[in-house]
Amino acid sequence: EVQLVESGGGLVQPGRSLKLSCLASGFTFSNYGMNWIRQAPGKGLEWVASISSSSSYIYYADTVKGRFTISRDNAKNTLYLQMTSLRSEDTALYYCARHNYPGPFDYWGQGVMVTVSS
Amino acid sequence: DIQMTQSPPSLSASLGDKVTITCQASQNINKYIAWYQQKPGKAPRLLIRYTSTLESGTPSRFSGSGSGRDYSFSISNVESEDIASYYCLQYDNLPWTFGGGTKLELK
Repeated sequence: EVQLVESGGGLVQPGRSLKLSCLASGFTFSNYGMNWIRQAPGKGLEWVASISSSSSYIYYADTVKGRFTISRDNAKNTLYLQMTSLRSEDTALYYCARHNYPGPFDYWGQGVMVTVSS
Repeated sequence: DIQMTQSPPSLSASLGDKVTITCQASQNINKYIAWYQQKPGKAPRLLIRYTSTLESGTPSRFSGSGSGRDYSFSISNVESEDIASYYCLQYDNLPWTFGGGTKLELK
C-alpha cells in the first residue's frame, strides 16, 4: 500500500524557516517524481514544487521560487521542503504527492499544517 | 501560466441526479486534465486522468470528456458518498494548475 506521511509543520513567525519531510513507503520511491502541493484554509489547491526521480529536474511555483527548496533522499525514501523567509500567505496545509511523468499526482499524503503568524 | 476556469463554484443536487462540472483552460492542454475528489479533512483523491481514463476503484457513474481547451466531468446518479469538492488539474505544462474547485452539496 502506497503511503506518504508528512511531518515538520507548525507555527512559525514571519521571516523564519521551517523544513517539511515526507516519508514514503509501499512503492519504489526512487522511480517516481514527487511534489509539494498546498491548500490555504478554506481555499483551493496550489502546486508548489516538483522534483524528478533522480533530482535532475526541479521546478517551483513563482510564489515560492527563491524561498523554498525541494529535495529528496532516495536512500531514506524521504522528500523534503525547506521553506525560508516565510510569509503569512504561506499558511496552508502542505501535501506531498507522487507522480509518474507524464501522469498527474496519483497518491497524496494526509498533509501537514504550516501556520505563519507573529 | 495556464489558467483553469472551473464552474460552477458550487452545485446543489438531489440523490440520483446527474451533475456536470466544466473546466476551461486558457490554452490547448492536449487532454492532459485530471479530476480529483476531496472530502472535508481528507487529501484529494484522483478519480480520472487524461480526460476520461478512470482510476482503479473509481465508480463508473463518474466520467470525463473534452478536448482542446474545454473539458467536463460528470456524475450520473449522485450518491451521498459523492458529496465533496471536486478539482480539475491541467498537467500539460508547468506550472501545473488547478481549477478553483466545485463544492457539491445535497439539495
